[in-house]
Amino acid sequence: DAMVIQNPRYQVTQFGKPVTLSCSQTLNHNVMYWYQQKSSQAPKLLFHYYDKDFNNEADTPDNFQSRRPNTSFCFLDIRSPGLGDAAMYLCATSRDTVTSGGAENEQFFGPGTRLTVL
Amino acid sequence: GQQLNQSPQSMFIQEGEDVSMNCTSSSIFNTWLWYKQDPGEGPVLLIALYKAGELTSNGRLTAQFGITRKDSFLNISASIPSDVGIYFCAGRSNYKLTFGKGTLLTVNP
Repeated sequence: DAMVIQNPRYQVTQFGKPVTLSCSQTLNHNVMYWYQQKSSQAPKLLFHYYDKDFNNEADTPDNFQSRRPNTSFCFLDIRSPGLGDAAMYLCATSRDTVTSGGAENEQFFGPGTRLTVL
Repeated sequence: GQQLNQSPQSMFIQEGEDVSMNCTSSSIFNTWLWYKQDPGEGPVLLIALYKAGELTSNGRLTAQFGITRKDSFLNISASIPSDVGIYFCAGRSNYKLTFGKGTLLTVNP
């Protein structure tokens, strides 16, 4: 089945120690997104890639970076994790982002990676 | 920025009951979406609505896109225990989803 895969599902890191989270997709979608979701809150968009074009949200801290080496894979790098970065990190994909678009714009989420910072 | 008001925040119902939740916005959206999120998992898309006034069903779920394009509701009929979870509404403008704060649904068997 076509899907969005996130590895690992659980990640523990130490305060200040760089960590990378991984997302892959078999949907062949153009767009990949990274969201941060803290406990009892809605997902918050960090950034997205349209193909190789990176689009950062204005309020995303510099501590968060991303790489998309090919269509299938996208990585979230947290350069110096703080205690406040402990959260669920969700990857999502969509085929397109057309302004007047319909189903091709819909985002499909992976299962998430739960990050713990010690 | 845009904000969605989703209510209720939580609901406790008995198995077999119907449930309704809604979202309102101060801004217009081109698309309204309803997602369900189970604990420790990512959100799963339940229903997508693309036209003002549109009423769409997916099994026991029914959702409507408000005429003003500033609101949407989701109804679940004949609830079952596996309906438990957090339901999020989301409005979409271009690529960006604006989420409501979620409705936590508990179904007592």
